[in-house]
Amino acid sequence: DTAVSQTPKYLVTQMGNDKSIKCEQNLGHDTMYWYKQDSKKFLKIMFSYNNKELIINETVPNRFSPKSPDKAHLNLHINSLELGDSAVYFCASSPSGGLFSTDTQYFGPGTRLTVL
Amino acid sequence: EDQVTQSPEALRLQEGESSSLNCSYTVSGLRGLFWYRQDPGKGPEFLFTLYSAGEEKEKERLKATLTKKESFLHITAPKPEDSATYLCAVHSGNTPLVFGKGTRLSVIA
Repeated sequence: DTAVSQTPKYLVTQMGNDKSIKCEQNLGHDTMYWYKQDSKKFLKIMFSYNNKELIINETVPNRFSPKSPDKAHLNLHINSLELGDSAVYFCASSPSGGLFSTDTQYFGPGTRLTVL
Repeated sequence: EDQVTQSPEALRLQEGESSSLNCSYTVSGLRGLFWYRQDPGKGPEFLFTLYSAGEEKEKERLKATLTKKESFLHITAPKPEDSATYLCAVHSGNTPLVFGKGTRLSVIA
């Protein structure tokens, strides 16, 4: 069984469109995250979501919004897509804590987003 | 600001040729240093967490060590299946996890 899963694996869309990426974890973890890995391969945190508490990295544009229907799911919605949003987006989860927790984080397989 | 620098950026080894990857860090109070392995087209896979200077952890051909300024990932007698990008990340407890750019390891049979 996949511990952290994401859909879709690939997403190609036009500038200006709105899209969503879904994430599910079956580890029973309390905290979920979204990361962006750009073309230079840097992984950067975007959000942390723990027990309905959302912590946003201040560098993330407000076009990006995480939505969590329950503890096992954290979806990423992106409005008005721009060329610079092209990247690989990873979902992760950890047992507890939040953005500043030192718990080990377990990553999903990633979603490659291409904005044309 | 927490910083992580990994070196070398890329490393090519012959099968069986042992070597080390370096992760230098600058944080205000290290709470944990993490090593991950990332295969092409996949998410990072957790390897080790180190919490204090002098700590060592091993898994198969990999051994991670930690000092107050850096961590090493030693690879003993590597095999082609060890080829991957190895990522280092640090946590200071009051900032999000900060990753380095990684070291891309290629092991040639």
